[in-house]
Amino acid sequence: AQRVTQPEKLLSVFKGAPVELKCNYSYSGSPELFWYVQYSRQRLQLLLRHISRESIKGFTADLNKGETSFHLKKPFAQEEDSAMYYCALSGPGGGSNYKLTFGKGTLLTVNP
Amino acid sequence: GAGVSQSPSNKVTEKGKDVELRCDPISGHTALYWYRQSLGQGLEFLIYFQGNSAPDKSGLPSDRFSAERTGGSVSTLTIQRTQQEDSAVYLCASSLVARGNSPLHFGNGTRLTVT
Repeated sequence: AQRVTQPEKLLSVFKGAPVELKCNYSYSGSPELFWYVQYSRQRLQLLLRHISRESIKGFTADLNKGETSFHLKKPFAQEEDSAMYYCALSGPGGGSNYKLTFGKGTLLTVNP
Repeated sequence: GAGVSQSPSNKVTEKGKDVELRCDPISGHTALYWYRQSLGQGLEFLIYFQGNSAPDKSGLPSDRFSAERTGGSVSTLTIQRTQQEDSAVYLCASSLVARGNSPLHFGNGTRLTVT
């Protein structure tokens, strides 16, 4: 069974400090990993996906298959980064691999 | 273009009543999903539709829950004989293709409160 664990429900940092939101997963095979974000009063939206190896809004995430982790990092947090962040996993595609399994989310607060 | 549209945005109902939640996906998106977002529980998969294929209902929590998708577009999630534990935000999402790496586009959700 596939499972996503986000160990921190709440994370609070000061503006300009580095931030790391942890995500660990359980999956037998090669998963696709994603981070979704929900800003206050906005809809849930895709932030980034590991396959793209991109940096979005200064955030990066590296898939570590040895540690089964996909932590989200940003070197200098901004107040506008305050939001709920969800890590998500799916299979590599085809068959029943379309389902995204989400973690329970981490609420990030960036203080001025 | 228009995003995923859900209605109503808020619904308060009495325990035991039936409710219908509507989702209008992005035009051209073949895959449609329903998730439930509860406090402290994250996003729980409910049901998935892809074209004319049989839907994946594996996430529906009980037989009081059902959903249909008409004409490959609009979807309705129905909860019969609502219970207080059904209170949550119900999210609909659509994606261009039914692949795990195709990004989901979410609606604003319907906040259901069962009193």
